[in-house]
Parts: sequence; structure tokens; C-alpha cells
Amino acid sequence: DVQVVESGGGVVQPGGSLRLSCTATGFTLSNYEMNWVRQAPGEGLEWISYINSRGTTTYYADSVKGRFTISRDNAKNSLSLQMNSLRVEDTAVYYCAREVSGTYTIDYWGQGTLVTVSS
Amino acid sequence: QSALTQPASVSGSPGQSITISCTGTSSDVGGYNSVSWYQQYPGKAPKLIIYDVVRRPSGVSGRFSGSKSGNTATLTISGLQAEDEGDYYCCSFASTNTYVFGTGTKVTVL
Repeated sequence: DVQVVESGGGVVQPGGSLRLSCTATGFTLSNYEMNWVRQAPGEGLEWISYINSRGTTTYYADSVKGRFTISRDNAKNSLSLQMNSLRVEDTAVYYCAREVSGTYTIDYWGQGTLVTVSS
Repeated sequence: QSALTQPASVSGSPGQSITISCTGTSSDVGGYNSVSWYQQYPGKAPKLIIYDVVRRPSGVSGRFSGSKSGNTATLTISGLQAEDEGDYYCCSFASTNTYVFGTGTKVTVL
């Protein structure tokens, strides 16, 4: 079965940093482009970042550009999201999501990890 | 990038058909045949139900169908069932090499 599992969420103060991780089972992560999508409590989905299969191309939403960094270690079958200068409005469930290569379709999502930014 | 516009809520009786619209611009919905739809239950991850505007992943009920005209995509749920109650989101690839999601629609089965 295809599974994506996020970890690393927690409570952090405004201005702080947090690193999220994502691992995969049932498929080879290195063969896929990956994304991070977040959902604030009671709100809708917001795409925040993309990385290609080799890790050479990344894109970010304006809301996180310059503060968040997406990266991957294909040898370890893992994906990361380094989040710096966190703001209260970054509070959300963060989903790691697989993209079907060449189709611009996000197909499988993890169960998400909650990040709470609060003083 | 502004969120795609969806109705906040749609309701219908069991067996009826309902439609959910998703309106964007020529830079996203209108410019690409890369519109997806997701179903989400409370506290759960989204599930892909339509991709490439009209395609259904394996295992997804044929009661779900998609279409697009201009800058508006539409999800139709036929033969509405109690299990269809949940939140639905559209998503489109955009010209800025980003994805943009819809505002979300809560479907209620009366």
C-alpha cells in the first residue's frame, strides 16, 4: 500500500523554527515529485511548496517564500520542510503529498502533522 | 495567487445529483487541463477523486464526474449517498508553477 507519513510537528513560539519530515512506503520516493500542502484549523487547503524528483527544482507560495525550504534525501527516501521565522498564521496541519510525474496531479497525501505557532 | 472560488455549501437528498463549481482565471483553471478534485472527511487527509478535469482514479465511484468550460470547472456527484457528505476542494496547476486550491465546499446529504 502507498503510504506517506509526516513527522516533526509541535508547538513553537513566533519567530522560531521547526523541521518537518516525510517518509514513504509502498513506493520509491525518489521517483516522484513531492509537495507540501497545509490546512489551517477550520480552513481550506493551501499549497506551499514543490520539489522535483532529483531535488534540483523547487517552488514556493508567496506566503512562505524566503522562510521555508523544501529538500529531499533520495538515498534515505525522505523529504523535509525547514520552517524558519514562523508566524502565528503558519499554524496548520502540514501534509506531505505525492505528485504524479508529468500530470500536475497530487494523488497521495499523508495524514498530516500539526504545527502550532503560539507564544 | 488567489484561491479558486467554490460555493461554501451544497446540499441534496439521497439519489439526487449535485454540482460544485470552481472558478478561476485563464492563468489557472482556464489555462490548463490540470484540474483535480479532492474529497475530505473531518480530521482526515484529502482523497483524490478526479484529475485532469475528467479522469477518475481507480477505485473511485463512477458517480463522480468532472468537466470544465472556460475558467470554471465543475464536479458532479450523481446518485447522492450519505457517505458523500464531506468537504470538497478543487485544485489547478497555475502559470506561476504553483498549485492553487479552491475555497472548499461542504456537501450535506439531507
